[in-house]
Amino acid sequence: GAVVSQHPSRVICKSGTSVKIECRSLDFQATTMFWYRQFPKQSLMLMATSNEGSKATYEQGVEKDKFLINHASLTLSTLTVTSAHPEDSSFYICSARSGRGTRSYNEQFFGPGTRLTVL
Amino acid sequence: DQQVKQNSPSLSVQEGRISILNCDYTNSMFDYFLWYKKYPAEGPTFLISISSIKDKNEDGRFTVFLNKSAKHLSLHIVPSQPGDSAVYFCAVNAGGTSYGKLTFGQGTILTVHP
Repeated sequence: GAVVSQHPSRVICKSGTSVKIECRSLDFQATTMFWYRQFPKQSLMLMATSNEGSKATYEQGVEKDKFLINHASLTLSTLTVTSAHPEDSSFYICSARSGRGTRSYNEQFFGPGTRLTVL
Repeated sequence: DQQVKQNSPSLSVQEGRISILNCDYTNSMFDYFLWYKKYPAEGPTFLISISSIKDKNEDGRFTVFLNKSAKHLSLHIVPSQPGDSAVYFCAVNAGGTSYGKLTFGQGTILTVHP
């Protein structure tokens, strides 16, 4: 149980284009999903928290107009990197947490990540 | 200001011996602590967790110890196996209005030699 998928696993795009990354919880309903990015040899940095049906909460320093997050259902959240630039190249990882009272409420289950390369 | 620190960037142990990974945190309000294992180009995999009301939690070869007075937690793996070689992250679950958000340490690269 507690499987989270991400799609695509790897994407290469040209500078100025937009890229959408999907995060799905496959066997549980995720009331909250989180988006992280990881630079080489560094820790995971939380970008934003999204609760189903409401606007995402962004961490300080993360541009909300650049990283659009939608959490339209209890099993799907999307991150869209708009007008991507080479400095946006990174490893993006989502995680999901179920509702209060469930086993995974205190834990987050991570997707396999998406490697974004902007040329 | 780093709230969660893993001061050892790497650790090398022999197969069969104990691996001890350490983590320090600064905020005494943190109430739930987790360890994740991560391979390159993959998402972290949950290993084990502990609530602040406990000082030890065990799951098979993995044991997490929490010392609240020292704001320190450790992960013991015994016996260590070559397949345990990975990056290990400790994470803390903030309380209050930030409940559910995880703050990660920098990670420790564990290498287990056959």
